[in-house]
Amino acid sequence: GQQLNQSPQSMFIQEGEDVSMNCTSSSIFNTWLWYKQDPGEGPVLLIALYKAGELTSNGRLTAQFGITRKDSFLNISASIPSDVGIYFCAGSTGNNRKLIWGLGTSLAVNP
Amino acid sequence: ETGVTQTPRHLVMGMTNKKSLKCEQHLGHNAMYWYKQSAKKPLELMFVYSLEERVENNSVPSRFSPECPNSSHLFLHLHTLQPEDSALYLCASSQEAGGGETQYFGPGTRLLVL
Repeated sequence: GQQLNQSPQSMFIQEGEDVSMNCTSSSIFNTWLWYKQDPGEGPVLLIALYKAGELTSNGRLTAQFGITRKDSFLNISASIPSDVGIYFCAGSTGNNRKLIWGLGTSLAVNP
Repeated sequence: ETGVTQTPRHLVMGMTNKKSLKCEQHLGHNAMYWYKQSAKKPLELMFVYSLEERVENNSVPSRFSPECPNSSHLFLHLHTLQPEDSALYLCASSQEAGGGETQYFGPGTRLLVL
């Protein structure tokens, strides 16, 4: 089945550093979504992208829909301790009702 | 009450028990979903309901039985589960049941099968 490759698998950074993570797909997607999951909670939507090349920000978070439509990037600027969690990418080809999910990037921030 | 709520938050059950998970969405959405989240695996879509009609059954064993009495409520009935069914079960909703629709998740039910 379709898979998303999300990297890196985990990150350990110092507070104040910028973070970058990405997802790549073997298929062309028409939607990319980025979610964050805190321990013991469900994923919370951060940013939704619907157009190739689209660059969207949500506070310190910025995500881009890759031009090839096979990848997406999430950047977090000036990280803070509450950024700790698991970040998931998800995408859709639009051909069915399913979202394809990455395995997540686990982020740890050292104060 | 806002968003998507799930009860119970934690559940421990034996393999011979019968239990039910409940999900309620307060967003006015038409589609609801059940997912299974296990460590080291991508989220696994189990069921999709659109306007109370099941539109997707992702090869889920019959020991999991969903029920959607109306567009705001979704249940997952569990019986004779196996230890490998232990996982976080997430409910989500979206405006419509399209793959490109933004899905909003509940906090999940952490299930342990002994």
